[in-house]
Amino acid sequence: GAVVSQHPSWVICKSGTSVKIECRSLDFQATTMFWYRQFPKQSLMLMATSNEGSKATYEQGVEKDKFLINHASLTLSTLTVTSAHPEDSSFYICSAPVIGQLLHFGNGTRLTVT
Amino acid sequence: EDKVVQSPLSLVVHEGDTVTLNCSYEVTNFRSLLWYKQEKKAPTFLFMLTSSGIEKKSGRLSSILDKKELFSILNITATQTGDSAVYLCAYFGNEKLTFGTGTRLTIIP
Repeated sequence: GAVVSQHPSWVICKSGTSVKIECRSLDFQATTMFWYRQFPKQSLMLMATSNEGSKATYEQGVEKDKFLINHASLTLSTLTVTSAHPEDSSFYICSAPVIGQLLHFGNGTRLTVT
Repeated sequence: EDKVVQSPLSLVVHEGDTVTLNCSYEVTNFRSLLWYKQEKKAPTFLFMLTSSGIEKKSGRLSSILDKKELFSILNITATQTGDSAVYLCAYFGNEKLTFGTGTRLTIIP
């Protein structure tokens, strides 16, 4: 079946540094990918929608200059958390539509900023 | 403003019990309602509902959508400890999937 691969699965970084998270569709092409963030004991909140060949669409309240999204090809989208701070520590997860409204999710990246 | 609300927020039952999880929504441009189970990491897909009144069933789990009253329920019969998880409902509308608050289900052996 369709697989979405997300790397790294966890990362610890120092405050002020940048972290890149990759999301790949392994056996299908994804013109759109969705990036979510989940804080402990909360639900998944959509951050942005990345679109291959065009700019990402950010949800209200998400800083586009802080969370850089690049959809470089039909199989790769990246999220870069720039100048990370402890409050950015969260679980980041990507997903891609396989058939219509059915999304496949990556396994997520747990980011800890010290 | 579009929203989806789940209830209860948490639920603790004994193994073997039957549970019903609720999801109500107010959505413009509604296309479908989906249920997911989340344990440690990524949510796993359970059901996608687009038509009102048609029950979807998978083993001990079943779900139904009421588009007139704008809600869906997820039933789990004969619960097992492996059913302990957060159950998320989400709607697909405006070309994106938006999640509800989730219900944390705990099954006591």
